[in-house]
Amino acid sequence: GESVGLHLPTLSVQEGDNSIINCAYSNSASDYFIWYKQESGKGPQFIIDIRSNMDKRQGQRVTVLLNKTVKHLSLQIAATQPGDSAVYFCAENLNTGFQKLVFGTGTRLLVSP
Amino acid sequence: NAGVTQTPKFQVLKTGQSMTLQCAQDMNHNSMYWYRQDPGMGLRLIYYSASEGTTDKGEVPNGYNVSRLNKREFSLRLESAAPSQTSVYFCASSITGAGETEAFFGQGTRLTVV
Repeated sequence: GESVGLHLPTLSVQEGDNSIINCAYSNSASDYFIWYKQESGKGPQFIIDIRSNMDKRQGQRVTVLLNKTVKHLSLQIAATQPGDSAVYFCAENLNTGFQKLVFGTGTRLLVSP
Repeated sequence: NAGVTQTPKFQVLKTGQSMTLQCAQDMNHNSMYWYRQDPGMGLRLIYYSASEGTTDKGEVPNGYNVSRLNKREFSLRLESAAPSQTSVYFCASSITGAGETEAFFGQGTRLTVV
C-alpha cells in the first residue's frame, strides 16, 4: 500500500553527537521526498528535500540519503544541538497525477545537553 | 512576511455544531492544502486546491467541505462536528504541487469536539 513509516519513534542523543533518523517508504514510483521538522505547538518546517534521481543531498548540518533499492530514506544531523529537539517527518510524493505528499508518523529527537 | 496564517488557533465545539477554519497565505502560491494531525500519527491530507477555482479530495475528506475563496484563502468547514474530528488542523501552501516544491505550513488549529 501507500505508506511512509519510521523505524524509531524516539531517538535520544547527547549534544554534539551526530543523529540519524530513518524512514521507509513503500511506493517505488515516488519521485520526491522531503524531511520536515516540527517543534511543539508549531507547524512542520521544511528541512531538506531530495529527488529520486539523486542518492545524497547536503544542507547546513543536515544530509539526506536515499536508497531506492531498499526504499529507504535517512536524515543525518551533524553536531546535534538542543534546538534540534523536535519531531521529524519524512514525506513522499506519490507522483500520481497532482503531486501530493504522504507523511510518515514521525520520530521524536531528544537532545540532552 | 506572514506566510500561512490560520484562525482560530484553538476551538472547542459541541457535537453537531458547525464551524469554519480559515487559512490565508501571502506568498502568491497556487496550491493550498488542509491536513489533520492526530497523536502518534503523521499528517493526513483532507482536501487540496491545486489552483484557484479547483478543489479535490485527499485521503480523509469525509465530514469536511472546503472553499477556495480566492488565490490567498482556503477555508475548511465542519458542517456537523463529531468527536472523531478532534485533531490539530494544518493549512499549507506551495507554489505548484506539494511534490514540486516545499509546502509551507501554518501554526495549526487545535480543535476539540466534546
